[in-house]
Amino acid sequence: NAGVTQTPKFQVLKTGQSMTLQCAQDMNHNSMYWYRQDPGMGLRLIYYSASEGTTDKGEVPNGYNVSRLNKREFSLRLESAAPSQTSVYFCASSEGPPRVSYEQYFGPGTRLTVT
Amino acid sequence: AQRVTQPEKLLSVFKGAPVELKCNYSYSGSPELFWYVQYSRQRLQLLLRHISRESIKGFTADLNKGETSFHLKKPFAQEEDSAMYYCALYNQGGKLIFGQGTELSVKP
Repeated sequence: NAGVTQTPKFQVLKTGQSMTLQCAQDMNHNSMYWYRQDPGMGLRLIYYSASEGTTDKGEVPNGYNVSRLNKREFSLRLESAAPSQTSVYFCASSEGPPRVSYEQYFGPGTRLTVT
Repeated sequence: AQRVTQPEKLLSVFKGAPVELKCNYSYSGSPELFWYVQYSRQRLQLLLRHISRESIKGFTADLNKGETSFHLKKPFAQEEDSAMYYCALYNQGGKLIFGQGTELSVKP
């Protein structure tokens, strides 16, 4: 039981390049999330998916797109990377709709640098 | 606006000393609050939630609606408590709003 896995662990991009961050969970969770973590700003929600087939914007969605490929997988795409997107990206999942009784489980993170 | 504020970026204490990590929130309605922790080279994980009124690893947190606070406390800090701590608020839209985080350093 790996929990939440993310690939890649590290990535360096040049401005304007595109890439997709992959996330998968093996806990049969319904909800999945993408956050970015920046120094002094905590974690900010980019997008989330309350259930398979649905996605919704979070606090900072601009410059990103997501795909809930199936119940297990939730990918984050940067179409044209910008230096402002340099960050650590975390994927998370929870058992049900975002409710207090459901803990969010986090992946190990992807450290992305855009030059 | 819904907001979580952790005023201290870094809190440094000696082993055995009491520790209090501050968290203030802004929310209209009944808040649901959490503390998450990230140890070095480990994943972010749930430490405790106010609704459970539990004590985890010696930490407790009491919701004070009058002061809109949810401070995390431990009477005797241990070196293994050194980590990044995040206070988080569950909002009406079903999202977690995180504070900026406080790095706790417990010195021997």
